[in-house]
Amino acid sequence: QKEVEQNSGPLSVPEGAIASLNCTYSDRGSQSFFWYRQYSGKSPELIMFIYSNGDKEDGRFTAQLNKASQYVSLLIRDSQPSDSATYLCAMNSNSGYALNFGKGTSLLVTP
Amino acid sequence: DVKVTQSSRYLVKRTGEKVFLECVQDMDHENMFWYRQDPGLGLRLIYFSYDVKMKEKGDIPEGYSVSREKKERFSLILESASTNQTSMYLCASLNSGNQPQHFGDGTRLSIL
Repeated sequence: QKEVEQNSGPLSVPEGAIASLNCTYSDRGSQSFFWYRQYSGKSPELIMFIYSNGDKEDGRFTAQLNKASQYVSLLIRDSQPSDSATYLCAMNSNSGYALNFGKGTSLLVTP
Repeated sequence: DVKVTQSSRYLVKRTGEKVFLECVQDMDHENMFWYRQDPGLGLRLIYFSYDVKMKEKGDIPEGYSVSREKKERFSLILESASTNQTSMYLCASLNSGNQPQHFGDGTRLSIL
């Protein structure tokens, strides 16, 4: 069984702070890593993807990948109330393109 | 932008009915996927397809079948709907390579 673990939260941060979302995984064959944001009642939308160890920045978002330790994280700088959503970590492996999803972390940004 | 269109946002059906959920993508993607999402269980893969007329079972295929007669269209079929199939159903597509999957808006299906 390919496990993808996320803390369900809710993670509560004040507006303007940095939100740190973490994800660990068990399948060492995982190649590509994705973060999706999902608002209540909506479908997941892609925030970022990362393939290589290290950091990848896109605007207020930074994805961090450490394959040796089998974790991937998402940092959201200058958090806004509109960032309040569930964040899904997902990854595929070299056995195919199907994604394994974590159950998501609920983020609440308070004004 | 990739467009993945699911035929219905909300659907109500009765136990025992045969239910069709349709998904169409406009980017000539080879791979298409059906997931269901339930509170506390996350997204679970039902079936996927990597080419026309090709299909592979996911983690929870029981009670479902799929059809892919054309590259752009991937249909999920509930052969005889049951109340435990009440869920949010999400379709996704991607091209080859380690690219992100793109999701449709989802179909919230209720089986009464």
